[in-house]
This record gives sequence, C-alpha cells and structure tokens, in this order.
Amino acid sequence: QKEVEQDPGPLSVPEGAIVSLNCTYSNSAFQYFMWYRQYSRKGPELLMYTYSSGNKEDGRFTAQVDKSSKYISLFIRDSQPSDSATYLCAINQAGTALIFGKGTTLSVSS
Amino acid sequence: EPEVTQTPSHQVTQMGQEVILRCVPISNHLYFYWYRQILGQKVEFLVSFYNNEISEKSEIFDDQFSVERPDGSNFTLKIRSTKLEDSAMYFCASRGDRTNTEAFFGQGTRLTVV
Repeated sequence: QKEVEQDPGPLSVPEGAIVSLNCTYSNSAFQYFMWYRQYSRKGPELLMYTYSSGNKEDGRFTAQVDKSSKYISLFIRDSQPSDSATYLCAINQAGTALIFGKGTTLSVSS
Repeated sequence: EPEVTQTPSHQVTQMGQEVILRCVPISNHLYFYWYRQILGQKVEFLVSFYNNEISEKSEIFDDQFSVERPDGSNFTLKIRSTKLEDSAMYFCASRGDRTNTEAFFGQGTRLTVV
C-alpha cells in the first residue's frame, strides 16, 4: 500500500464553487500535514500546515485532519480561476522528509 | 519575504556529463533538501542535509549523486554522470528547525539530459 494516496483528478469546477481535495495515508506515525499549490513547471508553494487532528482556516482555505481515519482534506471556498493549479498533500514525522501525494489538478472556470 | 533560490532555471546536458545544481536556502534555516519531479509524476525525496552531513536519503540517491554545502549560503546537488532518466525538475527546500516542519521550496531547476 502506498504511503500517501491522492486522486490526481482532473477536477473542474465553476468559479465560486467550494472545492474539496483529499488524501489518505497509511502510517499512523505521521504527525505533520501540509498542502502545497504547484503551478505548471514551478516549485511547490506552501498553503497550509497542520499538526494533529482538527481544522485550520486561512482565508478561503480550510485544512482538515482526521488522524483516526488517516484522512486529510483541503477545502477552498469561493474558488477563483487563479486557484487553477495542482494541489499536493505532503505528510511527515518530525525530522523526516516530506512524502508527497501525486497531486490533484484543479481547473476553475470563469 | 525570504525565499529559496535555485540556479540555473533550466540546464541541458549531454548524457554522461556532470552537472551541479545550485540552491541558496532561506537564511538561518538549518535543514536542506533536494527533491525531484519527473514530468507527470509525484515529487520524490532525494536527500536531506543537516549540520554538514546527510541525515536521510532515498533509494534514488545513489552513488552518482552528492550534496555539498561549500560555504555558509549555497547548497549544491551534483550528478556525476547523467543519464536520460535523470531528466526532471529538481527542487531544493529548506526549513528552520526540527520542530518547525514547514518546508519552503525553490522554483526548481529543469534538467534535460540529451
């Protein structure tokens, strides 16, 4: 079983929609959960960082972690065309390298 | 805003040649990483570096790869004898300390081996 699973999409939504992006993971020792946004041929840009179960909100973005289900989510409210990108989940334990999901490609149409 | 800087942005090299990819991590960060992303695939970990030595490496990071921090600011990845399958985006990342696990990435170097 792969350590981090993420549906690659593509996911297409109209402007203003609520977007839900998800990852599952297999190792219950993972403690830190991140979401990165990546535009084509650019470096991953850190969006959200969470530790332990619960929700974290930053503007239009909400990251949710359910450690009991080994399931993490990123919600984007009022999606904009500029949100069109690939969204990567990344997970690790303290002091270890990030393990990335494959990324979900999102397209928001105006 | 501090950022991770990588040079060059694109490098084309012939198979068998040596390449050096350069990175300037965020000042006062202590942990440094190299990742790569083959076109259409996931971001893969290569190596992490702390206190002037490799702290972790993946199976990909074999003897043809090496890393170095030659001075107080630069962090380099050397590929000794490039293969066609080394063609990828190479990303450098850095983070502050063990407890602060947020890693910040550079814009990448696109390596094309011909």
